[in-house]
Amino acid sequence: NAGVMQNPRHLVRRRGQEARLRCSPMKGHSHVYWYRQLPEEGLKFMVYLQKENIIDESGMPKERFSAEFPKEGPSILRIQQVVRGDSAAYFCASSPLGQGTNTGELFFGEGSRLTVL
Amino acid sequence: AQSVAQPEDQVNVAEGNPLTVKCTYSVSGNPYLFWYVQYPNRGLQFLLKYITGDNLVKGSYGFEAEFNKSQTSFHLKKPSALVSDSALYFCAVRGPYGNNRLAFGKGNQVVVIP
Repeated sequence: NAGVMQNPRHLVRRRGQEARLRCSPMKGHSHVYWYRQLPEEGLKFMVYLQKENIIDESGMPKERFSAEFPKEGPSILRIQQVVRGDSAAYFCASSPLGQGTNTGELFFGEGSRLTVL
Repeated sequence: AQSVAQPEDQVNVAEGNPLTVKCTYSVSGNPYLFWYVQYPNRGLQFLLKYITGDNLVKGSYGFEAEFNKSQTSFHLKKPSALVSDSALYFCAVRGPYGNNRLAFGKGNQVVVIP
């Protein structure tokens, strides 16, 4: 089974450009989570999505950031008008379990490392 | 809100010695607890979890963790550390209600000295 696939692995953008990060969950998983990792800050939750629905976006910055998980295709985390502070590793995780059920672990991708010049 | 504290930035241990990485948590209700490991420039790999049952949980690569409800702790342990265990270790928690998102600690860098 293929794991969680993220691309690109590395992305360089200049200030003001847009960044699009893609995540394909594991086969059979319909729940996707995005986390951001900054040096010495650990992983910060950003957003939790199911197919065509945003379930929890409490960790998303109010401006410039958006996420989607369409019926067909990967989940996309979009950052508009990037600034240097957006430089980080962005991790996607997936799970087969839904809200209110017993938990299982999250399965993580290798991450997308964004550098803003 | 759920949260995790990993009080030490770095843990240094000699190869062959016991390894302990500390974690305390805060959550409403019974906790679901996890440990993950991250190698340089890689994603997080699942090590073990506690949901219910025996307080001592055994996981991958010889790691184990002990759930202590009175101390709200879930320390990760390995009886004999290997150089290849050098990595970043994350503790995570979620509560029994709501969605499945995990709250992570800031991570502990483990350095095993040959």
